[in-house]
Amino acid sequence: DARVTQTPRHKVTEMGQEVTMRCQPILGHNTVFWYRQTMMQGLELLAYFRNRAPLDDSGMPKDRFSAEMPDATLATLKIQPSEPRDSAVYFCASGLTGHPTDTQYFGPGTRLTVL
Amino acid sequence: KQEVTQIPAALSVPEGENLVLNCSFTDSAIYNLQWFRQDPGKGLTSLLLIQSSQREQTSGRLNASLDKSSGRSTLYIAASQPGDSATYLCAVWGRGGGADGLTFGKGTHLIIQP
Repeated sequence: DARVTQTPRHKVTEMGQEVTMRCQPILGHNTVFWYRQTMMQGLELLAYFRNRAPLDDSGMPKDRFSAEMPDATLATLKIQPSEPRDSAVYFCASGLTGHPTDTQYFGPGTRLTVL
Repeated sequence: KQEVTQIPAALSVPEGENLVLNCSFTDSAIYNLQWFRQDPGKGLTSLLLIQSSQREQTSGRLNASLDKSSGRSTLYIAASQPGDSATYLCAVWGRGGGADGLTFGKGTHLIIQP
């Protein structure tokens, strides 16, 4: 049963600390998306990669957020330094080709709380 | 910038009823529209994907329609069951500028009463 995995599932940290979230896409999928979900804003696209190269990160605050894909089986989203307004659920999704006709498969999310 | 609105924000109906969830979007230049289901504490599950050239898609008791020119979509759920209780999200993949990928509505929180 192929699925997207995310770690950690929950993270509580203090303001100013570095946070790293990890995502393992479905094997064979070449596109990875990062989304953030809050009550106020709903789900927002932060960035996405195809074949490990960043295609669009215009939704991501560049001063503190960074997204990378060190290899085909791992995508990371890093926040440094973290702030209370970063508290949200962060979802990773993967797709076979990244074409709009593809279905995106979502991971269970990382719930981040910044105190 | 594309905006997606879902009405109602919450809905509670008795089991067995047919119901309609609404979604509207401001920019009709889209590749497709998708409906997702989100259960508490979990990720999203894709339910139906309608290409911009299509008018509707069906899967079991679910039927989604798309009227691109008016910027509207509906999700019809027939013979609702308690297991249908979840948040339903509508999303469009736009052709315009800005962040590529899906733009989501804030969802309709659906409760089916046994």
